Amino acid sequence: GESVGLHLPTLSVQEGDNSIINCAYSNSASDYFIWYKQESGKGPQFIIDIRSNMDKRQGQRVTVLLNKTVKHLSLQIAATQPGDSAVYFCAESPPQAGTALIFGKGTTLSVSS
Amino acid sequence: DTGVSQDPRHKITKRGQNVTFRCDPISEHNRLYWYRQTLGQGPEFLTYFQNEAQLEKSRLLSDRFSAERPKGSFSTLEIQRTEQGDSAMYLCASRPGSSYNEQFFGPGTRLTVL
Repeated sequence: GESVGLHLPTLSVQEGDNSIINCAYSNSASDYFIWYKQESGKGPQFIIDIRSNMDKRQGQRVTVLLNKTVKHLSLQIAATQPGDSAVYFCAESPPQAGTALIFGKGTTLSVSS
Repeated sequence: DTGVSQDPRHKITKRGQNVTFRCDPISEHNRLYWYRQTLGQGPEFLTYFQNEAQLEKSRLLSDRFSAERPKGSFSTLEIQRTEQGDSAMYLCASRPGSSYNEQFFGPGTRLTVL
């Protein structure tokens, strides 16, 4: 399943499918990006990050892709599991924001078994 | 548990009352952040400390809000004369000075102003 192109607030997938969550960031000068997972009633949990000098970074079951030309970030989750159900946020670190992270709109991922 | 902790987890108050929240960052982290999150939105930056110095404040931080980090360890966020619009989740995050900008978040304090 994939939230393609423009940001979609929800994504529903079957257990075992691959998920792709997309994010458009706002500032072309941002040099650092993070994906967070937030479960209901909890704080955001770090998943993976990427610096602007890279276009791809892989973690355990997750991959982040960065396309600076179109200011687009995506999170790929392989073999999605019910425990992956949560809201996913991308965050950028633009120079003029100091050290604050600027969060995008979240995508709610629902995984059915 | 060595993560970021926040207290209380939930606070219900009446409009006009003052409230204070506490954040205990990860012990070796010298940088501490406060964010506010309303339902369905991503966290919004409020303020940032490096050790005990408050170095950045957002325009969201009105005069009724004040934050301190007196000894460079725990931090408090106080809201005076609360308004219904202050109802939100208040999140604290911390990171070590050596990291790029990976911030570790606490569980948040859910504030409800009646």
